Amino acid sequence: EDKVVQSPLSLVVHEGDTVTLNCSYEVTNFRSLLWYKQEKKAPTFLFMLTSSGIEKKSGRLSSILDKKELFSILNITATQTGDSAVYLCAVEPRGGSNYKLTFGKGTLLTVNP
Amino acid sequence: DAGVIQSPRHEVTEMGQEVTLRCKPISGHDYLFWYRQTMMRGLELLIYFNNNVPIDDSGMPEDRFSAKMPNASFSTLKIQPSEPRDSAVYFCASKEGAGNEQFFGPGTRLTVL
Repeated sequence: EDKVVQSPLSLVVHEGDTVTLNCSYEVTNFRSLLWYKQEKKAPTFLFMLTSSGIEKKSGRLSSILDKKELFSILNITATQTGDSAVYLCAVEPRGGSNYKLTFGKGTLLTVNP
Repeated sequence: DAGVIQSPRHEVTEMGQEVTLRCKPISGHDYLFWYRQTMMRGLELLIYFNNNVPIDDSGMPEDRFSAKMPNASFSTLKIQPSEPRDSAVYFCASKEGAGNEQFFGPGTRLTVL
């Protein structure tokens, strides 16, 4: 069974801090790893990672995947209060039309002014 | 595009009643997913469809749950009879083919008294 473990479970920082969120996974056949941001509504897509060592970047957010060590990190620099949310990591297996995502429990990030 | 549309947004019902949740995926997307999110178990996949055909329903908790997709623009998730432990937020998501992320709807918050 595929498994995703995120750490820390929660994190409180001050505006301007840099944070690193961790995601480790076990999957039978790996296709991709995805990061989502969830405020008090639906998860919204951040990144999809398929290759090791290639950083994906969007503004102050960036993410990288290590397929050898089976983990990914999500970095947020110069945090803002609007970054407060639950950040979800998910893995997608490879195999025909198998697109069954397995999600971690998420990291609750609180950014205080 | 309006995104994934779900209805109702909130549903409060009494134990034993039938509950029907509705979803309209993004036009052109050929995959549709139903998820359930609770504090204890996080975000779990219940069932997903490809071109209106159920592909994997291994996450459906028991026979009280059923899902249909009569056409490319509509799906339902039905719980009959409902129980208090079914209280959760139910999300519908859709995606287009391989290599693309899933887009989530706003969710239906279900409370079973």
